[in-house]
Amino acid sequence: GAVVSQHPSWVICKSGTSVKIECRSLDFQATTMFWYRQFPKQSLMLMATSNEGSKATYEQGVEKDKFLINHASLTLSTLTVTSAHPEDSSFYICSAREPPGLPYEQYFGPGTRLTVT
Amino acid sequence: DAKTTQPNSMESNEEEPVHLPCNHSTISGTDYIHWYRQLPSQGPEYVIHGLTSNVNNRMASLAIAEDRKSSTLILHRATLRDAAVYYCILRDWTGGGADGLTFGKGTHLIIQP
Repeated sequence: GAVVSQHPSWVICKSGTSVKIECRSLDFQATTMFWYRQFPKQSLMLMATSNEGSKATYEQGVEKDKFLINHASLTLSTLTVTSAHPEDSSFYICSAREPPGLPYEQYFGPGTRLTVT
Repeated sequence: DAKTTQPNSMESNEEEPVHLPCNHSTISGTDYIHWYRQLPSQGPEYVIHGLTSNVNNRMASLAIAEDRKSSTLILHRATLRDAAVYYCILRDWTGGGADGLTFGKGTHLIIQP
């Protein structure tokens, strides 16, 4: 099946700094990628939809100026958490789907655990 | 996406079959039933999906009620590696899968050796 990777797998940063998380589709082209956030013992929450070559669409309540998303190529989307605070500590997971016409399952990355101190 | 209801947790023994139920009484005619699972500290992985007929793949089987208001994910012979949170999700196929997934709380499956 299709493979999605994320880098880094974990990161610790200081409050006020920015962190960039990469999401790559390794063996397929992904016109659309999704970013999710998961707090401990909770379910995944969709943050935003990332479309190649256009602006991301953010879910209600997600600050677009804080969570910058760039989808510059068909295999790479990045999420930058700007001016991170301890409450941003979470498990960030991306997913990608193949172009329309193929099975609609989404392929998820392994996740990035962010800890802000 | 329409709402689904799953038990919070279930327990089973290794090498025995597991039946994970999901209720979706408000399902529409254009909703596919998808199942994903999430192993500890990992991203979710696709398990199976179906529309009306029962489906089988190498991971599991999906039994869909005739009225489509409920479904059951069947793991034929559970292993310790199947311990995960299982999510039942409805997806409207008319959207072409362009939307992100809406995850409920899922069922935490515990496998006893």
